[in-house]
Amino acid sequence: QLQLQESGPGLVKSSETLSLTCTVSGGSISGSSYYWGWIRQPPGKGLEWLGHIYYSGRTYYNPSLKSRVTISVDTSKNQFSLKLSSVTAADTAVYFCARIPGGRGWDFDSWGQGTLVTVSS
Amino acid sequence: QSALTQPASVSGSPGQSITISCTGTSSDIGRYNYVSWYQQHPGKAPKLIIYDVSNRPSGVSNRFSGSKSGNTASLTISGLQAEDEADYYCSSYTISSTVVFGGGTKLTVL
Repeated sequence: QLQLQESGPGLVKSSETLSLTCTVSGGSISGSSYYWGWIRQPPGKGLEWLGHIYYSGRTYYNPSLKSRVTISVDTSKNQFSLKLSSVTAADTAVYFCARIPGGRGWDFDSWGQGTLVTVSS
Repeated sequence: QSALTQPASVSGSPGQSITISCTGTSSDIGRYNYVSWYQQHPGKAPKLIIYDVSNRPSGVSNRFSGSKSGNTASLTISGLQAEDEADYYCSSYTISSTVVFGGGTKLTVL
């Protein structure tokens, strides 16, 4: 059974870089036809797609955040990571990692439990 | 990219059917059959309930169904149950090779 688990600091200072890792278990991140993505949800608000990556390294990013977001993959550790630079209070959110099956419409079929990241001044 | 438009809230009584709309543009919903729907209970991760407009993942109740007409997609829940009370989000693939979500709809079971 596939499981995804986010990890990283729960508190980040304003103007610094937020870094999170998603560890995948129960399946290989190098498996063909899957992408691996990040979505966030500010407290009390809706979902926002941040971006996703194929195991080969090909990335897709939300254009509104593109200059600040970097997603990378480490197949040896079965992990993928998110970096968001120059954070502000508006980046306070629950961050989810998720799997995207290939060959269809970029839906997220398996999710991590989410991790709350608070940006402090 | 602009978020897809969903009603903020809908409600229904047990046993009834409700429909949640999701309106986009000719660059997303209107162009591709790549609309998905998610159910989210408080404090939990979203759960995929519909993909590619009308397909249900294994294990999802057939009380959930999806459809699309033009730039608007719809999620219908029939035989409403208390456990269906949750937030529902639509999303779509876009012409820019991105993903856009709707603002979410809170379903209240009366």
